[in-house]
Order: sequence, then structure tokens, then C-alpha cells
Amino acid sequence: GAGVSQSPRYKVAKRGQDVALRCDPISGHVSLFWYQQALGQGPEFLTYFQNEAQLDKSGLPSDRFFAERPEGSVSTLKIQRTQQEDSAVYLCASSGPQGIRGNTIYFGEGSWLTVV
Amino acid sequence: AQSVTQLDSQVPVFEEAPVELRCNYSSSVSVYLFWYVQYPNQGLQLLLKYLSGSTLVKGINGFEAEFNKSQTSFHLRKPSVHISDTAEYFCAVSEGAAGNKLTFGGGTRVLVKP
Repeated sequence: GAGVSQSPRYKVAKRGQDVALRCDPISGHVSLFWYQQALGQGPEFLTYFQNEAQLDKSGLPSDRFFAERPEGSVSTLKIQRTQQEDSAVYLCASSGPQGIRGNTIYFGEGSWLTVV
Repeated sequence: AQSVTQLDSQVPVFEEAPVELRCNYSSSVSVYLFWYVQYPNQGLQLLLKYLSGSTLVKGINGFEAEFNKSQTSFHLRKPSVHISDTAEYFCAVSEGAAGNKLTFGGGTRVLVKP
């Protein structure tokens, strides 16, 4: 596609519900990133994939958060048993193989999650 | 561990006036520095980046930034702003050994007034 596509754009979940957020990176981009942006704050790194390999998941805040990219293209961020503190915008980004230094990273518009 | 501080949370500025957004970082190793812009309800867009070489970096939309290693700063400037520059601006850093992890500052909201 022309850009990074994320769905759903907006999600309201009841506390305790599981949610799944989808990211379609730019075609051919091997690097994929997930960030969490709380209201009024800067994005915080969650995890990084190169193709289907999850090379860094140090930013995932708890074991309720899980990300996958089984075929090296589309990625899904899953949050189990959502809590109110999970309310945030979840940003997906992709780039070529050289990552943030050799390539430009393109961000999607984000998935806005509100947990009530 | 790396961290980024954006000293101003909001900067009001009149159209055609200059603007400077301040960014300081802390890191014990070599770093790579970035500025991103986020327009309302849109994703982040790269304005410019410093990887090595000249400390004065020019980016898109007339923005430039200067890397100052001794002051651990990477301030963003534009000599004359437009209404369309109203947005949130984020400074970010990546340490040499941190791979592809970006650490962002808290953001500076620029409001350009006519």
C-alpha cells in the first residue's frame, strides 16, 4: 500500500476484554515497530521485528502484551485482559532493512484504544 | 540509559516569526538524533536526522537542527513559520548499541498564530 495502515483506528474495550490491533506495513518493508503513546506524552517503544523475527520486545509492559508477525508482513499486537492504563494510541511503523539509521521510518496513523 | 528532555511543552509563535524547539538528551555513548512532526490525527513524520558528519542538519519544510555534543543538545529551528507548522514536534534518540529502539521526548506543541 501507499503507507502504513492500522486497524481499527478507534477501539473502545471494556476492562478485562482482549483486543487485537493490526498493522499492514509498507509493501517490502522488512522492519516493523510498535510504539505506545499515552495522552500528552511521547511514543514509547514496545517491540521490533525484522521479517518474522521479533528481535526486541524489551518495551512490552507486561505479559498481557503480545505481538506477532508470522509471515513477515502483517503484524498484530494483542493485549489480554485490558486495564485502564492500557488506554493509549498504538503506533505501528515500518522501514527498509537498514532500520532507523539507513532508512526512513514511516508511521501509521495509530490505533486509539480506550479502556472503560 | 538514554533519555530525552524537551524543555517546552507548548510554544506559541506568530506567523512569519522564527521558532526554536529545545531538545536535550542524556547518553553515555554515541547517539543518533531525530526530529519528528505529528499533525492532528496523523502519524509521525520524519523532519530530519543526525547520524554523523556535519552538525548542522537541514530537513523538510525549512527546518534545521544543530547537534551540540558538549551540551548534549539537538535544538530545532525554523526562521519563519507558517500556520501549517502548527503541530506537535518530537525529538528522539537512538544509542549506538540500542539497535532500532527510539527514545522520544515528551513533545512540544507549536501553535502558530496569524
